[in-house]
Amino acid sequence: GAVVSQHPSRVICKSGTSVKIECRSLDFQATTMFWYRQFPKQSLMLMATSNEGSKATYEQGVEKDKFLINHASLTLSTLTVTSAHPEDSSFYICSARDPGQGEDNSPLHFGNGTRLTVT
Amino acid sequence: GQNIDQPTEMTATEGAIVQINCTYQTSGFNGLFWYQQHAGEAPTFLSYNVLDGLEEKGRFSSFLSRSKGYSYLLLKELQMKDSASYLCAVMDSNYQLIWGAGTKLIIKP
Repeated sequence: GAVVSQHPSRVICKSGTSVKIECRSLDFQATTMFWYRQFPKQSLMLMATSNEGSKATYEQGVEKDKFLINHASLTLSTLTVTSAHPEDSSFYICSARDPGQGEDNSPLHFGNGTRLTVT
Repeated sequence: GQNIDQPTEMTATEGAIVQINCTYQTSGFNGLFWYQQHAGEAPTFLSYNVLDGLEEKGRFSSFLSRSKGYSYLLLKELQMKDSASYLCAVMDSNYQLIWGAGTKLIIKP
């Protein structure tokens, strides 16, 4: 089945530094990838839609200058949290659909997530 | 606005059956998904319903009634490893996923 790989799984960084999270589709090409954030005991919240070869689409309230998204190839999207602060500590998860599974309503395949802790 | 409702937490006994309900109000409908999420892990896909009725997949079944804006996930022969959060998500007319907050299922021996 379709596999999405996310790295790193855990990262601890100091306030003010930047952190890059990678998301790769291992056995399919993804023109679109989705970045979610999840706070404890809360639902997944879509942050942005990453589009290969073009600018990402950010959800309302998400700062595009703080959460930089680059989708440079059909198998890799990166999310960089710039000038991280403790309130950015969260679980970040990427996902993608396998175009080989058909329509826009095919299921999302998730990476294993990245637990970010900003001290 | 768009809204997905599911119970916050449920408790069931190993070997028993549990039904997790989900009601929704969305702008259009292009299907409903159920995902399982273990603590500290990413969600994994369980089921997809776009037509009314019951979809059975092993110990798990999912039901949909579009006219009622209602779905349930039925888990049979519960095992301890089924302890997890179960997320209901509806795809709206723009093919955007609207997520419920999840139902934490606790299985007791």
